[in-house]
Amino acid sequence: EDQVTQSPEALRLQEGESSSLNCSYTVSGLRGLFWYRQDPGKGPEFLFTLYSAGEEKEKERLKATLTKKESFLHITAPKPEDSATYLCAVQAGASGSARQLTFGSGTQLTVLP
Amino acid sequence: EPEVTQTPSHQVTQMGQEVILRCVPISNHLYFYWYRQILGQKVEFLVSFYNNEISEKSEIFDDQFSVERPDGSNFTLKIRSTKLEDSAMYFCASSKSGTGTGELFFGEGSRLTVL
Repeated sequence: EDQVTQSPEALRLQEGESSSLNCSYTVSGLRGLFWYRQDPGKGPEFLFTLYSAGEEKEKERLKATLTKKESFLHITAPKPEDSATYLCAVQAGASGSARQLTFGSGTQLTVLP
Repeated sequence: EPEVTQTPSHQVTQMGQEVILRCVPISNHLYFYWYRQILGQKVEFLVSFYNNEISEKSEIFDDQFSVERPDGSNFTLKIRSTKLEDSAMYFCASSKSGTGTGELFFGEGSRLTVL
């Protein structure tokens, strides 16, 4: 069974205080690892896709990296508007165009002004 | 910007009643999904739908659940006889080219409360 574990569960940062969120995974045949952002009462919003170890993606203050066992979401100089729950998800196993995504439980990030 | 819309935003029902949750995916998308999130828990896959048939379903998606695309725009999730444990936020999502890119567009969800 695919397992996705995120840490920490919650993180409070001061504005401008950089940090990293972790997503470790145990899957059979990783096809892709994805990061989403979820605001309270809303659906997840897609951020990044990573396919292979060593790959990196950046968007504004966020950078996602991938190794063979885990992914990190680095947040540089965060702002209060970056406050949200960040979800990691994986797609693994047999090929197929609409394979399910398996989500982690998320990291709730709060950035204080 | 195109978005996935879901109705109702909140539905309260009695145990054993039938519920239909409705979704309008983004118009040029071909793949449709239902996920759910029980309060305080992970987002869980229910079903994916492509070319008018189910592509994949999870163990949660048992005989009490069904999906339908009754016309060119709507995508529905029906729960035939609701149970207390069906209380959750149900998210519809759509994508242009399957889940390979991971880029699913989610709606804001329908909160189902079963009493």
